[in-house]
Amino acid sequence: SQQGEEDPQALSIQEGENATMNCSYKTSINNLQWYRQNSGRGLVHLILIRSNEREKHSGRLRVTLDTSKKSSSLLITASRAADTASYFCATSGGSYIPTFGRGTSLIVHP
Amino acid sequence: KAGVTQTPRYLIKTRGQQVTLSCSPISGHRSVSWYQQTPGQGLQFLFEYFSETQRNKGNFPGRFSGRQFSNSRSEMNVSTLELGDSALYLCASSNKGGEEQFFGPGTRLTVL
Repeated sequence: SQQGEEDPQALSIQEGENATMNCSYKTSINNLQWYRQNSGRGLVHLILIRSNEREKHSGRLRVTLDTSKKSSSLLITASRAADTASYFCATSGGSYIPTFGRGTSLIVHP
Repeated sequence: KAGVTQTPRYLIKTRGQQVTLSCSPISGHRSVSWYQQTPGQGLQFLFEYFSETQRNKGNFPGRFSGRQFSNSRSEMNVSTLELGDSALYLCASSNKGGEEQFFGPGTRLTVL
């Protein structure tokens, strides 16, 4: 069964707009990671946030983590057409094996 | 450093056959994990190997097996293929369990 669940399932925006996607999970975690996957290819690691962190930035990416609500959000600012991809959150708990959600499909229109 | 490589990239098999997929991790990475990705089930964890030992295992039938060699290269084998085994099989390597994983491009398996 999936641990993380992304929301929304699909998101369509114009270039230059911000994209926000959310991830909710059920059990306690050690860390939460976000990955990107371009159509049918391997996943690319974007950012890792640990359970004792609340916010992290990497370039145009901003990730927040609220362990009391068991949720995380990924914000992509000033989206580009090249950001079109599926985005997955992955949670790691005691087993240290990341468990992936079903992903958010993002389309950025030029 | 070279990235994670997977061979073959594409594979077509028929029901009942068996298949072996190969994964070469990033140099120095000792953990190799395998995932199955399908439109219906999403990304599902198969197993993880660390220093030639299976350290974690997902909820897949015994037809799915794997191994890791002393150079950290890993193979997974699926015996008695079923139509439902059609999927993208992804391999990922990492320095440390639970941390950032580096994924290969995947092997697209089609079972006819």
